[in-house]
Order: sequence, then structure tokens, then C-alpha cells
Amino acid sequence: SQKIEQNSEALNIQEGKTATLTCNYTNYSPAYLQWYRQDPGRGPVFLLLIRENEKEKRKERLKVTFDTTLKQSLFHITASQPADSATYLCALDKAAGNKLTFGGGTRVLVKP
Amino acid sequence: DAGVIQSPRHEVTEMGQEVTLRCKPISGHNSLFWYRQTMMRGLELLIYFNNNVPIDDSGMPEDRFSAKMPNASFSTLKIQPSEPRDSAVYFCASSLRGTGGGKETQYFGPGTRLLVL
Repeated sequence: SQKIEQNSEALNIQEGKTATLTCNYTNYSPAYLQWYRQDPGRGPVFLLLIRENEKEKRKERLKVTFDTTLKQSLFHITASQPADSATYLCALDKAAGNKLTFGGGTRVLVKP
Repeated sequence: DAGVIQSPRHEVTEMGQEVTLRCKPISGHNSLFWYRQTMMRGLELLIYFNNNVPIDDSGMPEDRFSAKMPNASFSTLKIQPSEPRDSAVYFCASSLRGTGGGKETQYFGPGTRLLVL
């Protein structure tokens, strides 16, 4: 069956360091992958989208990689700040239709 | 734009009662999604609509759940009768589906926190 795995353990990191999150998937051939941020008591907010033919995507202090051979995406937050503390979700689609399947999310806590 | 609007934000009800959750998508968006989020199961897609038509309801847990989208600016998710295991946060999201197929991002509402006693 199709599976999306994110590290369920919280990631504690010191301010200024780089946080790296992983998203692994099995039995999937996604056309693209998205990353969302979710703060407590709020809905997820879109951050980045990367397509299957793209290796890397950047947006300000965020960087996403997509390795379809390893079936893995890495999400990096560089120069992390306490305001980056949140849960980060990866989501995969299928080429047909606009249905997304979400991973369980990884909580990030940036300490000052 | 006000974003996706959901109501109520919180709902506490007793087992067996009917619950109706409401969603107003972003104006101009043509796809609408209902999700449920729990600690155990994460964020699960229940059903989604394209142009007010239900496309995939395979995530709807059972016949107690039903969803409608009578027009482009309104959708409801109904649970009848409700059970304690339905307690969760229910999110509505909308997107603008392009002709090239699904590469759109989804915009989520603030969610409805449901507690069934």
C-alpha cells in the first residue's frame, strides 16, 4: 500500500542552525510534492512545490530537494528562527487528479 | 480575500446528535476538499469536489458521513448520528484547478474542532 513517512519525533534545534526534515514514500509515483506548515490551532499553509523533474527548489531560507530514485524529499530551513517553530507536512499527488495525500508531519522547535 | 471560511470553529455535541460543518471556499476556486485531522491518523482526505461535483469520496469513513456542495461558494459536511470516535479537527480547503491537471496548492480554512461526548 502507499505510504508517506515523516519523522514523528520532534526536531529540536538551536536558533541559527539548519533544520533538515525528511519525507519518504513507498508505492507512489508522484508528479509533484508539496510542503506545508501548520501552527497549533490553524490549518496548514502552503510553502513550496517541487515537480518530479526538479532536483531542488528554493524560497528565501527554505530549500526542498526531490529524489525520485530514493523516493525521498528533504526540507531544509537555513538560519532557523524561533518563529520557524511549527509542524511541517509533506504532501504528494498523483499525476491524475488533484488529490493530495499528507504525511504525518514533523514538529520543529527552534530554541533561542 | 477572506480566505476559506469554516463554521462553527468549535462544536461540542452528544453521541447520536447530528452535526453539520460548513465551508465557504475562496471565491473563484473550483475545487473543494474536506479533511479530518487526529493525532493518531494525521490529516486524512474525506472527499473532494471539482466544479461542485463529488469526485472522490473514498475517504468518507462510513454512511454516517455525507457532504454536499450545492453551489460554488458553499459546502457542508454532515455526520448523522455522531459518535465519540468522530472527535477530530475537520478542515476544508479549496484550490484553483488548472486545465493541465493537479499542480495546484490548497488553501486551508481554520478548521472546526469537533468533540462528541
